[in-house]
Amino acid sequence: NAGVTQTPKFQVLKTGQSMTLQCAQDMNHNSMYWYRQDPGMGLRLIYYSASEGTTDKGEVPNGYNVSRLNKREFSLRLESAAPSQTSVYFCASSEPPSGGPVTTDNEQFFGPGTRLTVL
Amino acid sequence: GENVEQHPSTLSVQEGDSAVIKCTYSDSASNYFPWYKQELGKGPQLIIDIRSNVGEKKDQRIAVTLNKTAKHFSLHITETQPEDSAVYFCAASMKTGGFKTIFGAGTRLFVKA
Repeated sequence: NAGVTQTPKFQVLKTGQSMTLQCAQDMNHNSMYWYRQDPGMGLRLIYYSASEGTTDKGEVPNGYNVSRLNKREFSLRLESAAPSQTSVYFCASSEPPSGGPVTTDNEQFFGPGTRLTVL
Repeated sequence: GENVEQHPSTLSVQEGDSAVIKCTYSDSASNYFPWYKQELGKGPQLIIDIRSNVGEKKDQRIAVTLNKTAKHFSLHITETQPEDSAVYFCAASMKTGGFKTIFGAGTRLFVKA
């Protein structure tokens, strides 16, 4: 069981370049998330996918797009990278608590992160 | 907008002492409050969580308390050990009308041997 995997681990881009961050989970979770982590600001939600086939904006979606390719995979795309997107990006997945209300969240399992620098 | 405030930002304790980290949240609809520990170069990992229908939860040396009226919750670590040194994040989450998890800014805990 690898849990949540992310590729690449590190990436350097020039302003205006595009790239896709890949995320996969092997826990059969329905929900997946993309966060960015900046110093002194905790984690901020970029996009999430409550289930296969659905995606929704989080707190800071501007400049990003996502694709929920299948139940396992959730990718994050930067179409035209900007220095403000320099950050550490984390993917996570979760499953609603068994038998619990659908309006509550549950433990999120995080990947190891991708450190992105945009010059 | 909604936010979660976390204090202190840095905490240094002697091995064996207790550590307390406090968070306040603004959205009264929040119903799930996890605490994550992040070690250097790794992703956050859940250490304990509490739901809005419970006031306190304990797991060995770690406990969390929730005061819904005051909208604050706290993490208590007793008998701290050097391996407790890490960054700790609180979060407040709700899924009514969409999904929202707001994280605190983090507390860097140093446990001195």
